[in-house]
Amino acid sequence: AQSVAQPEDQVNVAEGNPLTVKCTYSVSGNPYLFWYVQYPNRGLQFLLKYITGDNLVKGSYGFEAEFNKSQTSFHLKKPSALVSDSALYFCAVRVWGGGSGNTGKLIFGQGTTLQVKP
Amino acid sequence: GAVVSQHPSRVICKSGTSVKIECRSLDFQATTMFWYRQFPKKSLMLMATSNEGSKATYEQGVEKDKFLINHASLTLSTLTVTSAHPEDSSFYICSARANREDNSPLHFGNGTRLTVT
Repeated sequence: AQSVAQPEDQVNVAEGNPLTVKCTYSVSGNPYLFWYVQYPNRGLQFLLKYITGDNLVKGSYGFEAEFNKSQTSFHLKKPSALVSDSALYFCAVRVWGGGSGNTGKLIFGQGTTLQVKP
Repeated sequence: GAVVSQHPSRVICKSGTSVKIECRSLDFQATTMFWYRQFPKKSLMLMATSNEGSKATYEQGVEKDKFLINHASLTLSTLTVTSAHPEDSSFYICSARANREDNSPLHFGNGTRLTVT
């Protein structure tokens, strides 16, 4: 089955320190991978994506993610965390089939709460 | 940028009544929209894929007669929770893709908090 997993329910980091939010995936074929952020009682905001090309992808708000095919991972990173980065982060993979037609659909990981403390 | 508007943001209804949630793409046309349900433990579950002018495609385990989806135009999809019960209380989020390219991201509405009393 095609899926994506976020092994950490919560990540705590001090402001100014680097942060990593982990994501692993299982798909057939080449993966289309995404990271989204969600603030309380809001929808999801797109951060970045990997489709092809450089394994290191840069996105919004200083976030980046590294695609690692051998480890089937797509970890989200930021060199220096801010308190305002505290939110819920979702990794997602696009899959096709099951009625999604040519559009494909996003399957999300369980989500990881990032807590950045001053 | 592409904006998806979802209405209402919060709704409280009595058990047995029906509730309609609207999802609009404000500055783009969306032939396909997606409806998600988010549970208190955070996980986001895809309920159905809404296709303009045709029937929605429901994920396994989602009751199509319970969650009616209508996608009558290129900018509007609606989700109606029929005969709502307290267990239907949840956060419902819609999304759409601004263009048909496979690598384009989804744009999400701000969600609807449904409470069934």
